[in-house]
Amino acid sequence: EAQVTQNPRYLITVTGKKLTVTCSQNMNHEYMSWYRQDPGLGLRQIYYSMNVEVTDKGDVPEGYKVSRKEKRNFPLILESPSPNQTSLYFCASSPTRRGDYGYTFGSGTRLTVV
Amino acid sequence: AQSVTQLGSHVSVSEGALVLLRCNYSSSVPPYLFWYVQYPNQGLQLLLKYTTGATLVKGINGFEAEFKKSETSFHLTKPSAHMSDAAEYFCAVTRPSGNTPLVFGKGTRLSVIA
Repeated sequence: EAQVTQNPRYLITVTGKKLTVTCSQNMNHEYMSWYRQDPGLGLRQIYYSMNVEVTDKGDVPEGYKVSRKEKRNFPLILESPSPNQTSLYFCASSPTRRGDYGYTFGSGTRLTVV
Repeated sequence: AQSVTQLGSHVSVSEGALVLLRCNYSSSVPPYLFWYVQYPNQGLQLLLKYTTGATLVKGINGFEAEFKKSETSFHLTKPSAHMSDAAEYFCAVTRPSGNTPLVFGKGTRLSVIA
């Protein structure tokens, strides 16, 4: 089944403790992206990647890192999480950045930073 | 730059009533337009899309949307709401060429009352 897999689904952590949210896709998509979803703000893009070793900032990149060492994986790293990073996170992939074939989304990771 | 405005952050309808979710876009070129649906505790799923051709497009679960260039709109409709339609709906826009990303609206939460 074609899918984007995120782990974990739920995570509670403490301020300053480094964490990684994994994202993997099995569709050989070139483009991958991370979003955060907050009430009233919709989806905001954090980082995206056009291909292996090619990443770029989205609208809200502060406090996050990403890497794209393999085509299928695009982990999101929070080096020193803070409470304002409490949010619902989604990974998405697509054959193209413009999304004319549609984006495929993971099921989400609900992160709470205390 | 492209943008999407969804009118009404929350819409409530009775079961069996017409569903109408409004989306207006801004684009300097003829756009590609999309509706995504997010059910509780899930990621976004593509509901339908307009790229070229017929301006009335049909999607899954009985939804349809009509591209109206003169009104810069792409409203989502369903003749008869079902309880299972309760979800958040996102309109999105992109350009037919180039490398610009898919741009999402802030979303409309649909409640269906029995």
